[in-house]
Amino acid sequence: DAKTTQPPSMDCAEGRAANLPCNHSTISGNEYVYWYRQIHSQGPQYIIHGLKNNETNEMASLIITEDRKSSTLILPHATLRDTAVYYCIVRSDNNAGNMLTFGGGTRLMVKP
Amino acid sequence: NAGVTQTPKFQVLKTGQSMTLQCAQDMNHNSMYWYRQDPGMGLRLIYYSASEGTTDKGEVPNGYNVSRLNKREFSLRLESAAPSQTSVYFCASKEVPGLPTGQETQYFGPGTRLLVL
Repeated sequence: DAKTTQPPSMDCAEGRAANLPCNHSTISGNEYVYWYRQIHSQGPQYIIHGLKNNETNEMASLIITEDRKSSTLILPHATLRDTAVYYCIVRSDNNAGNMLTFGGGTRLMVKP
Repeated sequence: NAGVTQTPKFQVLKTGQSMTLQCAQDMNHNSMYWYRQDPGMGLRLIYYSASEGTTDKGEVPNGYNVSRLNKREFSLRLESAAPSQTSVYFCASKEVPGLPTGQETQYFGPGTRLLVL
């Protein structure tokens, strides 16, 4: 699976949009981009995933560049409860055991 | 549905002691996973079970054994605990075949915090 690069930390004001970038320049054609988050002392939580097209659900939007070498997770109206570590993961369906490989993630701090 | 449950929530062991971490899921998922997370780090896969009756090593299997007791339960055993195994352990499960490609979300339990002295 392709490796991802994320900034170690970011701040965001409450009520504003949080834009979390992820670089995955070695992504291959059959690899999906997944985003999970981990709120302090809890297990990781699935947010969203995508292959080529932009995706939106009730939690967030995922913007994937046309060359698929990077993506951005957007939390449209960040709240204090969105403070967490956000993990960008790239994996293919051919991944043996369908494992998720977690990197260091981005620690998002939402401030009042 | 309770989702993924783990017991115990906390455990303190002395070096050399053994223990089993329990994990159960009620979502009828085929695949189950054990991860460990050290302070300030991402998760690392210890073992996984793609389906009932099968288990495979992940990234950091040394010092651990697993048992897929049935479809619901996947346990992790430390035969002789070492201080290096102090960590937070997460169990996860996932549905596999039958879903459209890409929709393979893992659901995580609340974690077991283990301290080995």
